[in-house]
Amino acid sequence: QVQLVQSGAEVKKPGASVKLSCETSGYTFTHFDMHWVRQAPGQRLEWMGWINTGNGNTEYSQTFQARITITRDTSATTVYMELSSLRSEDTALYYCARGGDSNSYFDYWGQGTLVTVSS
Amino acid sequence: DIQMTQSPSSLSASVGDTVTISCRASQSIGSYLNWYQQKPGKAPKFLIYAASILQSGVPSRFSGSGSGTDFTLTISSLQPEDFATYYCQQSYNTLYTFGQGTKLEIK
Repeated sequence: QVQLVQSGAEVKKPGASVKLSCETSGYTFTHFDMHWVRQAPGQRLEWMGWINTGNGNTEYSQTFQARITITRDTSATTVYMELSSLRSEDTALYYCARGGDSNSYFDYWGQGTLVTVSS
Repeated sequence: DIQMTQSPSSLSASVGDTVTISCRASQSIGSYLNWYQQKPGKAPKFLIYAASILQSGVPSRFSGSGSGTDFTLTISSLQPEDFATYYCQQSYNTLYTFGQGTKLEIK
């Protein structure tokens, strides 16, 4: 069965960077792209960016363009998301989500990783 | 960016009721509209794509309709496990955006 397992919770200071992982199993990794979506407390889901797991091409939301890097390791069937210059507003649950049907929807989601940014 | 607006923001209903949640896009998105269900402390669950097509395994009491800018999610004969927050999401372009959510609570 398809599984997306994310790395554990992180606590960071303002200005620091965080790198999250999303390990996949149960399907052919390079056949589906991977997205990152975050949810701040009490807020709506917010799409951050995605990676073509086949060729490594990426596209990012303008909101995060300057601070986000999404990479993948095909041998480990794992996708990574690094967010830099963290501020308190980045405190949120971060999800990886598989893009289904040429990224028309997000059909499988990781369990989420809580990132807390606090001095 | 395409703005997605859901109504109502919250809704109270009883087991067995039928409820409807609306989602409006700030511009026409054809049928590029998806619905997700999220329970507290859990990741969103994918329910419906292309406005009206149920994902495999989703109970038939869930249905979606609409095109262009106005969409609805209907849940008939509410079950206890249906009380959750529902989000619409547009995939018309790759600057994906979500509605603010509709929290469905037990009356």
